[in-house]
Amino acid sequence: DVVMTQSPLSLPVTLGQPASISCKSSQSLVYSDGNTYLNWFQQRPGQSPRRLIYKVSNRDSGVPDRFSGSGSGTDFTLKISRVEAEDVGVYYCMQGTHWPMYTFGQGTKLEIK
Amino acid sequence: QVQLVESGGGVVQPERSLRLSCAASGFSFSNYAMYWVRQAPGKGLEWVAVISYDGSNKYYADSVKGRFTISRDNSKNTLYLQMNGLRAEDTAVYYCATEASWGQGTLVTVSS
Repeated sequence: DVVMTQSPLSLPVTLGQPASISCKSSQSLVYSDGNTYLNWFQQRPGQSPRRLIYKVSNRDSGVPDRFSGSGSGTDFTLKISRVEAEDVGVYYCMQGTHWPMYTFGQGTKLEIK
Repeated sequence: QVQLVESGGGVVQPERSLRLSCAASGFSFSNYAMYWVRQAPGKGLEWVAVISYDGSNKYYADSVKGRFTISRDNSKNTLYLQMNGLRAEDTAVYYCATEASWGQGTLVTVSS
């Protein structure tokens, strides 16, 4: 099975400052069609997860442009350019390349310092 | 807009059964694969099962294989999860999801 490893697991950030979360996979996430199926989800306190980014760097509708995704192969990053109070929550990466055995990272808890 | 509404959760004794439902609306349900994902209290996300758009292919996490069955009724725009032989470690919020959207979840508690 593909293992997804996130770091850090806890991320205290000052309002208005940038934040970065790393996600590393144990196998390449490049699929045979050339796409890389790496998604990022946000789970605010008490809410369901919401997809922010799909296929490494594509923002979902309604996602603020302060969120960006990058990476390739086995190394991926979610960046928030300027953290706002509403960004508090847990962020998960998830691979969909090795279908149907989807796997999530452990989650990174973002809090305001 | 896409709506996924889970139901059927509750408190159940170990080794008993429970059936979850997910009513879908706002999209062409019969054209999409559907997923169940769970989250134990205070823990991360765990993919449970997936079913293809027409129900012909089904896959399960090793932790539930042989005990859980995913199914769908495209005429009713509804996804199901039949859970048999429940264990304490199955206690979690169960989410119904598409590739992009998730329901609000339904809590399953396995306890004697």
